[in-house]
Amino acid sequence: DTAVSQTPKYLVTQMGNDKSIKCEQNLGHDTMYWYKQDSKKFLKIMFSYNNKELIINETVPNRFSPKSPDKAHLNLHINSLELGDSAVYFCASSQWGGGGPAKNIQYFGAGTRLSVL
Amino acid sequence: QKEVEQDPGPLSVPEGAIVSLNCTYSNSAFQYFMWYRQYSRKGPELLMYTYSSGNKEDGRFTAQVDKSSKYISLFIRDSQPSDSATYLCAMSGAAGNKLTFGGGTRVLVKP
Repeated sequence: DTAVSQTPKYLVTQMGNDKSIKCEQNLGHDTMYWYKQDSKKFLKIMFSYNNKELIINETVPNRFSPKSPDKAHLNLHINSLELGDSAVYFCASSQWGGGGPAKNIQYFGAGTRLSVL
Repeated sequence: QKEVEQDPGPLSVPEGAIVSLNCTYSNSAFQYFMWYRQYSRKGPELLMYTYSSGNKEDGRFTAQVDKSSKYISLFIRDSQPSDSATYLCAMSGAAGNKLTFGGGTRVLVKP
């Protein structure tokens, strides 16, 4: 049973289109994240939600809009796709709160490989 | 200059050798330090995590943190071809939720 699952795995689309990526976790975690990994493998956080509340919003174009309908789901909608949006997008989850470093352990999905043509 | 620096490699070693990986960082507020392994076309998976300075050992893996030098290391003993992957260091401050990653080091273990 996959802990953090993302759909779709691959997404090929034209410039200017709007697309969504979905993420679900069954770990019972209360915090979820979106990361972008570029062609040089550099992984950078985009957004984080804790109990459906946005807690991290890095410098990301407002064409990117996350949405968390509940603790177990975090979706990413991208408007007016650009060539530079081509990357692998990873969803992750963790358990916030409690003592010790356990809250920092983030579990990642397998990624969504987005290609904008 | 990036907050976390990591040599991209590739680092090629013969099977059975010790793999030595490291990262340097500039933000003295980092308190939690992690190593993730990422196979090609897969998501990162957590290997080791440590809090503040010190050493931690888990099987063939040893993680070291030297906060005074802002330097962390991961050692893999008795390396296997299945250890061939990209290794990413990651760290966060006291809040713990925002991870800053290094760019990853690609490791190749040759049989």
